[in-house]
Amino acid sequence: GDSVTQMEGPVTLSEEAFLTINCTYTATGYPSLFWYVQYPGEGLQLLLKATKADDKGSNKGFEATYRKETTSFHLEKGSVQVSDSAVYFCALRSAGGTSYGKLTFGQGTILTVHP
Amino acid sequence: GAGVSQSPSNKVTEKGKDVELRCDPISGHTALYWYRQSLGQGLEFLIYFQGNSAPDKSGLPSDRFSAERTGGSVSTLTIQRTQQEDSAVYLCASSLGQFFGPGTRLTVL
Repeated sequence: GDSVTQMEGPVTLSEEAFLTINCTYTATGYPSLFWYVQYPGEGLQLLLKATKADDKGSNKGFEATYRKETTSFHLEKGSVQVSDSAVYFCALRSAGGTSYGKLTFGQGTILTVHP
Repeated sequence: GAGVSQSPSNKVTEKGKDVELRCDPISGHTALYWYRQSLGQGLEFLIYFQGNSAPDKSGLPSDRFSAERTGGSVSTLTIQRTQQEDSAVYLCASSLGQFFGPGTRLTVL
């Protein structure tokens, strides 16, 4: 079945540091890939997405590129801020079948950014 | 409405009691999903609705869990005879899972 493996945390960085959170997946067909963010005390929000190979999703300075050859969708940001402290989830959406739209999530990575 | 809403936001119940959790999706969204977020298991898919039917119930953890959707809109997740391991945040999402509600935090004492 589909699965998502993401970098274990927690990740602790200083403000303005470079961020990478690794995510790899296993899926049949051509899934869509997502990064979600959950800020402290808040619900799950879609951060960015990519729907086909080589697509780059970007939002709020975060980027991730859909790499089919390495089945990866790593999240990057060039300069993190304290306000980026949150839990980040990588997810895939299966294509077709009876579960069209069902999301499979990674375990989540806690990011803490210090001033 | 403007977004996915869920109620109650928090629910504390005693072991063995039944609970109902409600999800109000974005108007017009025919697809609706329930997920559960717990410390040990991360985010798990529970059930998927397309309109009023549920083509995929594969994530429901036991027969104590059931869900229905009426009028292609509001959905109710029911947990019978709650157990402590049911404690989690229950999330609802619509439109291919891209819009999540704020969740219901369920605590079973």
